[in-house]
Amino acid sequence: EVQLVESGGGLVEPGGSLRLSCAASGFTFSNYRMNWVRQAPGKGLEWVSSIGSSSTYIYYADSVKGRFTISRDNAKNSLYLQMNSLRAEDTAVYYCARVGSGELPLRRNWFDPWGQGTLVTVSS
Amino acid sequence: QSVLTQPPSASGTPGQRVTISCSGSSSNIGSNTINWYQQLPGTAPKLLIYSDNQRPSGVPDRFSGSKSGTSASLAISGLQSEDEAEYYCATWDDSLNGVVFGGGTKLTIL
Repeated sequence: EVQLVESGGGLVEPGGSLRLSCAASGFTFSNYRMNWVRQAPGKGLEWVSSIGSSSTYIYYADSVKGRFTISRDNAKNSLYLQMNSLRAEDTAVYYCARVGSGELPLRRNWFDPWGQGTLVTVSS
Repeated sequence: QSVLTQPPSASGTPGQRVTISCSGSSSNIGSNTINWYQQLPGTAPKLLIYSDNQRPSGVPDRFSGSKSGTSASLAISGLQSEDEAEYYCATWDDSLNGVVFGGGTKLTIL
């Protein structure tokens, strides 16, 4: 069974840092692009970042560029999101999502499956 | 303000057909494939339609997707109470170099 399990969320003060992890299982992790998507309380979905299967390309939303860093460890079947200089508006549930096709580029791809999410709260 | 525009709400009675629109531009829907996600209350999003009009295995054929130019639609026929959820469209945007989501449409079954 394909599974994604996020961890590392919690309460952090503004300006602080947090590192999220996503443990993947049930598929060949190194073959798939991976993504982070977030959802602020009561709000819609917002794409955060994507990383290629070999980390050869990385994309970020403008809202997190320069503050967040996406990375992966294919040997550990894990995806990460290092979040620095956190702001109140970064408060959200952060979902890890795999692309549906290992062959297609992001512009032709989709997110499937998704993890259950981990909550990040930025507050003093 | 989302790059993709969806109506904030939609409703229908059991058995009815409802459509949810998603409007974009030439840099997103007009040049890339669109996907739809369903988010039931308190749960993670789930893929509903991919590549404009393809259904993943396990998704009932009551759900269908279409695209024309810079707009797309999700149609749900034979509405059921379990269809009450938030629905999001999403695609790649060539200008932003990232994935963009619609603001979401909350479907209520009356």
